[in-house]
Order: sequence, then C-alpha cells, then structure tokens
Amino acid sequence: EIVLTQSPGTLSLSPGERATFSCRASQSVSSNYLAWYHQKLGQAPRLLIYGASTRATGIPDRFSGSGSGTDFTLTISRLEPEDFAVYYCQQYGSSPYTFGQGTKLEIK
Amino acid sequence: QLQLVQSGAEVKKPGSSVKVSCKASGGPFSIHAISWVRQAPGQGLEWMGGIIPMFGSANYAQKFQARVTITADESTKTTYMELSSLRSEDTAVYYCARAPSVYQYYMDVWGKGTTVTVSS
Repeated sequence: EIVLTQSPGTLSLSPGERATFSCRASQSVSSNYLAWYHQKLGQAPRLLIYGASTRATGIPDRFSGSGSGTDFTLTISRLEPEDFAVYYCQQYGSSPYTFGQGTKLEIK
Repeated sequence: QLQLVQSGAEVKKPGSSVKVSCKASGGPFSIHAISWVRQAPGQGLEWMGGIIPMFGSANYAQKFQARVTITADESTKTTYMELSSLRSEDTAVYYCARAPSVYQYYMDVWGKGTTVTVSS
C-alpha cells in the first residue's frame, strides 16, 4: 500500500498570498496518477487536479499541480477567501487508492 | 450532469450490518467506476473499494475485504455498499463518488454522504 504524507499539517496564510502544499509518496506513483481535492466543513470533497497537473473542469487557473514519482505539489497562486479548507492528495496508480492525511489551510 | 444521491443516515448496533445506496441520475452509469470513501469524525478520507457496473466485479481495499460488499444494479442506476460486523470505529460519513475513467480512480462527482453511527 502506498502511504501519502502531506505537509505541513496546517498552513496559516492571508487572502492574496501564495499557498504551497506537499504530498510525498512512500513509493513511486504509477503514471503520476495523483489527484488533489479540497473539502470544506460539512461538504463532500471537490476534485481540483488529476494526473498530477491537469485542472478539473471549472477549477480556476490559480490552482496548479506539479511533481512526479514520489514528490508532488499543489500551488494556489493567490488565495481567495473560498480557498480556505482542508486539502487532500490521493494516488490512484495502485490499489488501494490511498489519500494523504490532509493539510488544513486556515486564515491567518 | 451526473448527480449521485445517497440514502439517509443510519444508526446501527455493534455487530450488525448497514447497507448504503447511491443512485445516479443525469448521466451515464454503467461505464464509470463508483468508489466508496469514508471519513470518520475529524479524520481524513479512506478509500474502501469500488465497482464498474458494466463489469460487475468490485475491487476492495484489503482493510475492508472481509467485511464490505459493493454491488451495482444497472436497471436502477444504483450502487450499494454493505458493511458487516459493525463496530464503533465504523462511525463515519460514507461517500460514493464517480471515477470518470474506468482505469483511473480519481473522483470528480461525489454524493453528499451518508452518516452511519454505530452505538449500543
């Protein structure tokens, strides 16, 4: 089973700032099958990025994903108020399709 | 546009079983994988397993292999997740979610979740 470790656990930033999330895999993720989601309190997760760098439908271009192998990054170029949430990475290269433990993005 | 509508909240006794449904509407059903993901209170996301309705066979995370059964009914566009031998640690929100590609289990459409509470 591939273990995904996300860092930091909590990120405290202000609107307008840049946010960077890290996701490190315990072994190489096949075909860079890595997705990012965010989840607001009481809601279902929402897909942001798949294939490590492809934005999902309707996701603004301030969200970008990068990385390969075992190290992946999600960047939000300029934070909007609606971006404050918990962010998860997920690998779907090999079953079981595991998630990271999440990074909470909070308003500073 | 595809929507996934899940069944309502459940309260169960330890040792019993729960069966949660997920009905698809507004889009194709059989050709996409449906995954089940759970989230315990205050915790992260955990993939339990998934099924491609047109193939019929399910794929489970080993952790749940002995206790979970995922099935699909193409005639009603409904997927089911049954979890047996419930314990308090199974208290969670259970989500169904669609994978847009048969071979890639990332999830682009999610149900709103079903809360399952296991308590004596």
